[in-house]
Amino acid sequence: DARVTQTPRHKVTEMGQEVTMRCQPILGHNTVFWYRQTMMQGLELLAYFRNRAPLDDSGMPKDRFSAEMPDATLATLKIQPSEPRDSAVYFCASGLVGQGTGYTFGSGTRLTVV
Amino acid sequence: KQEVTQIPAALSVPEGENLVLNCSFTDSAIYNLQWFRQDPGKGLTSLLLIQSSQREQTSGRLNASLDKSSGRSTLYIAASQPGDSATYLCAVHYNQGGKLIFGQGTELSVKP
Repeated sequence: DARVTQTPRHKVTEMGQEVTMRCQPILGHNTVFWYRQTMMQGLELLAYFRNRAPLDDSGMPKDRFSAEMPDATLATLKIQPSEPRDSAVYFCASGLVGQGTGYTFGSGTRLTVV
Repeated sequence: KQEVTQIPAALSVPEGENLVLNCSFTDSAIYNLQWFRQDPGKGLTSLLLIQSSQREQTSGRLNASLDKSSGRSTLYIAASQPGDSATYLCAVHYNQGGKLIFGQGTELSVKP
């Protein structure tokens, strides 16, 4: 089965450090979403792309978060500088809009900022 | 504002019961609706996808319905089993802007 691959699976870092999370969407999918999940807030939409173009990143704290798709096989989410409140699980999902199919999620990156 | 609400937040039932999970959404301009399952500490697994033109979808013991006019979807689980214990999430893919918005989920516990 095709899958969305996220790396790393776990990341522990010190406050103030840069964190980069990566996502490899399913080949041929044209839409990529980034979510953050916490117990308190549930799944929050951070940003999403269609055909590699950013459509909406209003859910991200702009001063420290950035999301990019340098090519069709890679999406990245960066946090600089990281803060303890950024500790969460970050999920990437991909899908093919216009084909009547749903979205497939990666296994997530569990980030802990100490 | 596009919002998705799931009721109840938690549900505990004895094994063998049939149960219904509810999802309501604002803005009827949806593209499709997807139900997911999430086990503790794990990712999201897709269960059922309903297109905006469809009324229901079935997979095994699961049946999902969609009523756009009332802004509601239900997930029906027949003959529940302890292995069904998980959090169930409803996600609405909206036409406008193309956002995929999640409800807060229903945490289901099926007791043997």
